[in-house]
Amino acid sequence: DGGITQSPKYLFRKEGQNVTLSCEQNLNHDAMYWYRQDPGQGLRLIYYSQIVNDFQKGDIAEGYSVSREKKESFPLTVTSAQKNPTAFYLCATRGGSGVFGKLFFGSGTQLSVL
Amino acid sequence: RKEVEQDPGPFNVPEGATVAFNCTYSNSASQSFFWYRQDCRKEPKLLMSVYSSGNEDGRFTAQLNRASQYISLLIRDSKLSDSATYLCVGSRSNFGNEKLTFGTGTRLTIIP
Repeated sequence: DGGITQSPKYLFRKEGQNVTLSCEQNLNHDAMYWYRQDPGQGLRLIYYSQIVNDFQKGDIAEGYSVSREKKESFPLTVTSAQKNPTAFYLCATRGGSGVFGKLFFGSGTQLSVL
Repeated sequence: RKEVEQDPGPFNVPEGATVAFNCTYSNSASQSFFWYRQDCRKEPKLLMSVYSSGNEDGRFTAQLNRASQYISLLIRDSKLSDSATYLCVGSRSNFGNEKLTFGTGTRLTIIP
């Protein structure tokens, strides 16, 4: 099946621990994104990557890190520096050209703090 | 002022009714817009793209008013399955990159 796979679906983090959320795509899209969604709020951009080996900070990058070693993969690490990590995390890719490109989302990871 | 704003609702509408809600944007450089629907604790799914004056797909119509800087979504003959949160997204160029801005969403509940 073509699409975006996020794992795990649920993740629990202990205080002081780093955790990594996986995002894999086989849509052959260059651009990939990580968003955070808190209850009753819109999506906020954490990091994005428009090409392999390059990525940019979004609006709320502090306490997070990413890598883009392969086109298909864009993992997000939530570090211990992120003091309020409980949220729904969404990975997305963008197809099409420029401002007309459409976002496609993975099924999300719910991260909670123990 | 937020770049993309939506009335959070909730809108409670009887089944079969027509419902419309707006999304306003503040940056006139925004070139294209999208409506996504999101069910509780699920990923957003693309409903419609709006590039020019409007778009229609079955019971759904999206219209863009650039003079007043808003996008509307109209749902006719509403179904119980239309209950969801509807997200408005604006897209514009930003120093060589494309910036997407999400509204906070409008919650719609269709009542039997």
